[in-house]
Order: sequence, then structure tokens, then C-alpha cells
Amino acid sequence: QQQVKQSPQSLIVQKGGISIINCAYENTAFDYFPWYQQFPGKGPALLIAIRPDVSEKKEGRFTISFNKSAKQFSLHIMDSQPGDSATYFCAASTEGFNKFYFGSGTKLNVKP
Amino acid sequence: DAGITQSPRYKITETGRQVTLMCHQTWSHSYMFWYRQDLGHGLRLIYYSAAADITDKGEVPDGYVVSRSKTENFPLTLESATRSQTSVYFCARASNPTGSGANVLTFGAGSRLTVL
Repeated sequence: QQQVKQSPQSLIVQKGGISIINCAYENTAFDYFPWYQQFPGKGPALLIAIRPDVSEKKEGRFTISFNKSAKQFSLHIMDSQPGDSATYFCAASTEGFNKFYFGSGTKLNVKP
Repeated sequence: DAGITQSPRYKITETGRQVTLMCHQTWSHSYMFWYRQDLGHGLRLIYYSAAADITDKGEVPDGYVVSRSKTENFPLTLESATRSQTSVYFCARASNPTGSGANVLTFGAGSRLTVL
């Protein structure tokens, strides 16, 4: 059973648009939610992360929105650029613990 | 350089053969992991290690063996490869760069394995 469910599986967005990727989890023990970005032929790399004591975290054009009661969190990419085209993974863990559970990934294609 | 090296990058083998994927970190971080990446499944944890000589199963350990005699190395062995083990394998290490308690995974570039 997948601990973290991610949608959509793929996403096409025009340059300048907003990309939104959603994730949901069941385990209320999770208290750390990172997003990883992966370019073709590379390993995933940490993009941005949030803890459940805040509802939103913003870093540049990337924002995580977190809804603790609904057990959902999402990644918003504002002003999407072709260079953002990559696969995005959400993940969940317990802070201080090293076992991460990943979503199934979203392949984002930003059209010029 | 992410400080974590995987080899080989590409490997083709036949069903029933033994295959070992190597992973080396230039630092001495305690935790290391092996994930496999498959379309529709994302990243699934195979095995992880908390320190030298300490390993534990992840979500999908069947058909795999790991060892960790040195902190820097964490090889993954497929003792008798099957077609269902065709995948991209990623090794990762965990670190806590900000000292905040939130660990960050740093991944290698991956090893693409094809089992014929």
C-alpha cells in the first residue's frame, strides 16, 4: 500500500502558467514533507520541504501548501518555465528519522 | 559533485545471473539507502543501512541482498536476476546540513539495469 499518493502522473503547462501537483498521506506520524525534482538521467534532488506546523512555504517560484486536517499537501510552481520540465516527487517522513516514503512522481512538461 | 557515486551506470544481464551494483560516498554519513524507480511506482525503498554492519529491509527487499562492511560503501546484489528487476536503481545518503533535525537525501546518478 502506497503511503503517499501523488497526482497527476503527468502535466503539461504553458510557459508562464501555474503548475500544481498534489499529494495525500494517511500516516499522521509523518511530520516532514519534502519535494524532490529529477531531471532526465539524474538522481532526484531536494527542491523544497515543509513541516506541518505551517500551512505554506515559499521559495522563489515554488510554494508548498499544506492542509494538516485533510492530510494533503501540494506543490505550486508559479510562472512555470521550460527549465522546470522534470519529474517531481513528493515524500513524507518523520523528522529525525531517515526513512522516506515517496509518491509515484509527476512528469511536468512546460511548453515554450 | 553530490559526493555519492554509483557504478555501473548501465548494465544488461540475463535472467538468473548475479549482479552487484556499487555505491560509494565520499563523506562518512551514517544512513545510506537503495531505491528502485519504476514508472507508476515512483521511488521504492529496497534496503537501508544505519551504519556499518547495520542494514534493514525497506518496502521491496525480496530478491536483493546488501552489505555494508565500510561506512563509505553500500553495494546492492541481485543474487539471481529476474526480468521484474529491470529498473533504475538509486543509491542515496541522508544528511542534516542545517542541524535542524530534518534529514536530506542526496541521490547518486542511478544505475539502469536491464534483465533479459
